[in-house]
Amino acid sequence: GNSVTQMEGPVTLSEEAFLTINCTYTATGYPSLFWYVQYPGEGLQLLLKATKADDKGSNKGFEATYRKETTSFHLEKGSVQVSDSAVYFCALREVKTSYDKVIFGPGTSLSVIP
Amino acid sequence: EAQVTQNPRYLITVTGKKLTVTCSQNMNHEYMSWYRQDPGLGLRQIYYSMNVEVTDKGDVPEGYKVSRKEKRNFPLILESPSPNQTSLYFCASSLRGGSSSYNEQFFGPGTRLTVL
Repeated sequence: GNSVTQMEGPVTLSEEAFLTINCTYTATGYPSLFWYVQYPGEGLQLLLKATKADDKGSNKGFEATYRKETTSFHLEKGSVQVSDSAVYFCALREVKTSYDKVIFGPGTSLSVIP
Repeated sequence: EAQVTQNPRYLITVTGKKLTVTCSQNMNHEYMSWYRQDPGLGLRQIYYSMNVEVTDKGDVPEGYKVSRKEKRNFPLILESPSPNQTSLYFCASSLRGGSSSYNEQFFGPGTRLTVL
């Protein structure tokens, strides 16, 4: 079945450091890929997404590229801020006529210190 | 304001006492889903619904029921709650149709359930 694997956390970085959170997936078809972010005490919200191979999603300085050859969708940001402290979830969604499921990774907790 | 609402936000109950967590969205979304979030496991899908009267199991459906009688509402029912259902629950909704795998989900604020 489909699955999503993320790097283990927690991750602690200093402000302005470079961030990479690895995400790899397995899927039988051609899913869309997402990164969601969860700030403390809140629900999840979309950070960025990509629908097909070589698509790059970007938002708020974060980027991720859909790599079909390596089945990966790694999240990157060039310079993190304290306000980026949150839990980040990689997810895939695969849709067929009678099937529409979303699979999330376990989440990676990020703490950014001044 | 476009939103997904859940009630209650916090609930403490005892084993075996039936409960319902409500979920409502005002965005006319066809797709709705319930997840539970547990430390180290991320979000796991319990049930989802592709439209009114159409529901299907996610990865962890045991011990839960759902119904979709109206487009906007998708309640989660625990007929006989047990302590292993203590968790943080999220409802979500999204559009469906066309290249629907591309559609993002909108999440409610969560319901923290404790079963004693």
